[in-house]
Amino acid sequence: NAGVTQTPKFQVLKTGQSMTLQCAQDMNHEYMSWYRQDPGMGLRLIHYSVGAGITDQGEVPNGYNVSRSTTEDFPLRLLSAAPSQTSVYFCASSNSRTGANTGELFFGEGSRLTVL
Amino acid sequence: TQLLEQSPQFLSIQEGENLTVYCNSSSVFSSLQWYRQEPGEGPVLLVTVVTGGEVKKLKRLTFQFGDARKDSSLHITAAQTGDTGLYLCAGAANQAGTALIFGKGTTLSVSS
Repeated sequence: NAGVTQTPKFQVLKTGQSMTLQCAQDMNHEYMSWYRQDPGMGLRLIHYSVGAGITDQGEVPNGYNVSRSTTEDFPLRLLSAAPSQTSVYFCASSNSRTGANTGELFFGEGSRLTVL
Repeated sequence: TQLLEQSPQFLSIQEGENLTVYCNSSSVFSSLQWYRQEPGEGPVLLVTVVTGGEVKKLKRLTFQFGDARKDSSLHITAAQTGDTGLYLCAGAANQAGTALIFGKGTTLSVSS
């Protein structure tokens, strides 16, 4: 069972470079979201989507873009990477349309990004 | 802005001890979730509490949701080394319940 798959697992970028973190789920979940995790900060919500074609901003959306063209995929784009974006990024999906009220979030294994 | 404050931030105990982790907010939540995360992995759901005053038990773990639905606690009885990890509480930050936010977490270390 694949669940939520994130690629790449590790990436090093230079300041100003762009890249896309990929996230795919095979559970037919409507809800998907992206978080970043920094030491002592817990998980902070970047963007989320309640279904194909619908996205919304979370707590820390600046510097990140998302799109949701299919139910399965929810890529996170960094258009011009900055050292402050060095973090571990987690993608999650849920079988609840709300993603929150009683809906369990299923997380990927994370993508560790370093921006030099 | 709805915030979830977790305490303590770090907890280091011996095997067999009991402990309680707290998750507090000034806002009312329709539900709260508790997740556990191990190094190098994503968080995994432990429990969801929905009703004010609710108590749920998961083996040695007991979860409570405050009567006013503003706070929750996780109590572990007779901790084991396998309980070591990061414990996170989470709740919906918006009316629609679509933006799930997390507390900063409690790092638990249980030594033998």
